[in-house]
Amino acid sequence: EVQLVESGGGLVQPGGSLRLSCSDSGFTFSSHAMHWVRQAPGKGLEGVSAVSSDGDYTYYLDSVEGRFTISRDNSKNTVYLQMNSLTAEDTAVYYCVNGGGSNWGQGTTVTVSS
Amino acid sequence: DVVMVQSPLSLPVTLGQPASISCTSSQSLVHSDGNTYLSWFQHRPGQSPRRLLYKVSNRDSGVPDRFSGSGSGTDFTLKISRVEAEDVGVYYCMENTYWPYTFGQGTELEIK
Repeated sequence: EVQLVESGGGLVQPGGSLRLSCSDSGFTFSSHAMHWVRQAPGKGLEGVSAVSSDGDYTYYLDSVEGRFTISRDNSKNTVYLQMNSLTAEDTAVYYCVNGGGSNWGQGTTVTVSS
Repeated sequence: DVVMVQSPLSLPVTLGQPASISCTSSQSLVHSDGNTYLSWFQHRPGQSPRRLLYKVSNRDSGVPDRFSGSGSGTDFTLKISRVEAEDVGVYYCMENTYWPYTFGQGTELEIK
């Protein structure tokens, strides 16, 4: 069974940076697009970023464009989300999700606060 | 961009009674390969979201058969034939016909 395990969340001051990682224990990582989805307190699910299976195509939510960078290393079965210039509005649980949504990680909490 | 609209946003249901959630997309979700990539997710409190159905009506492994999906083009429905206590949570539709994907706003199911 595929397991997605996120890491890298934590408490950071406004303007700071964090790098989230998601490792996939499955055997088909390189054949799937990967996504980062977040849920802010009291809000619904929101797609933040996505990367195609080969890394050639990326997507960013308008509010994170220019601040977040998604990347993947298919040799390590890992996808990353580099988050810079963080604001309070980025506070959320961040989930790593595989292509069609069949597998979700456990989530990692990002709190942006002074 | 595709917009996904769910209704209702809040759904109080009596145990054992049926429940239905609607999801409407701003564009047809029929892909050029002929498939319709519309999924439903359940998000229970304190847990990660879980996919229940994919390509409109296909149940994921382990999903009870009281959950069913239907629809085509732009209009889709999730039905629960008899609501159980464990069904409490927020339900989302999601399309991934168009790169990358779009979620609906979510429907919160609660027990009356």
